[in-house]
Amino acid sequence: DGGITQSPKYLFRKEGQNVTLSCEQNLNHDAMYWYRQDPGQGLRLIYYSQIVNDFQKGDIAEGYSVSREKKESFPLTVTSAQKNPTAFYLCATETGVGNQPQHFGDGTRLSIL
Amino acid sequence: AQTVTQSQPEMSVQEAETVTLSCTYDTSESDYYLFWYKQPPSRQMILVIRQEAYKQQNATENRFSVNFQKAAKSFSLKISDSQLGDAAMYFCAYRSAMRGGADGLTFGKGTHLIIQP
Repeated sequence: DGGITQSPKYLFRKEGQNVTLSCEQNLNHDAMYWYRQDPGQGLRLIYYSQIVNDFQKGDIAEGYSVSREKKESFPLTVTSAQKNPTAFYLCATETGVGNQPQHFGDGTRLSIL
Repeated sequence: AQTVTQSQPEMSVQEAETVTLSCTYDTSESDYYLFWYKQPPSRQMILVIRQEAYKQQNATENRFSVNFQKAAKSFSLKISDSQLGDAAMYFCAYRSAMRGGADGLTFGKGTHLIIQP
């Protein structure tokens, strides 16, 4: 099946620890995105990548890092510099063509231990 | 920067009735795309409907339709014959057409839709 796989579904972080959220897609989409969702805040853009080996900061990139070594994969690292990481994280992809919508993964819930 | 405002944190409607969710946006651009996404309790984001700003005709998808008022920068969603499965958070989203629209979506804060049986 074509789709976007985010893992793990739930993740717990200890103080001072970096954690990495996985996002893999087999839709052959060029563009990939990471969003953060907090209660009452909607979704906010963290990072995005339009092609392999290139990515740009979104609105709330501080405390996060990404890589795009393969077209299929766009992992997000939540670093210890992110002081309030508890949130729901959504990965999305799109073809990058005009009015085509973004497709979303099922999300990862990150909590602080 | 663009902003999207959903002024109704929560709406409630009787099953089989019609409900309209409001969305306004602020942009200086003339070419863009607008979307409504639905997020049920499973938290999966599901596209409901989309609208290109250059099209005057309002988009329709079965029971879902929009009222797109470009001059007023308004993009409301009408759900007809509401069903229990329509209960969800609804997000309005904006995407610029500049640079192929690849800079991501700007979302509103969402409207929680409750369907009363």
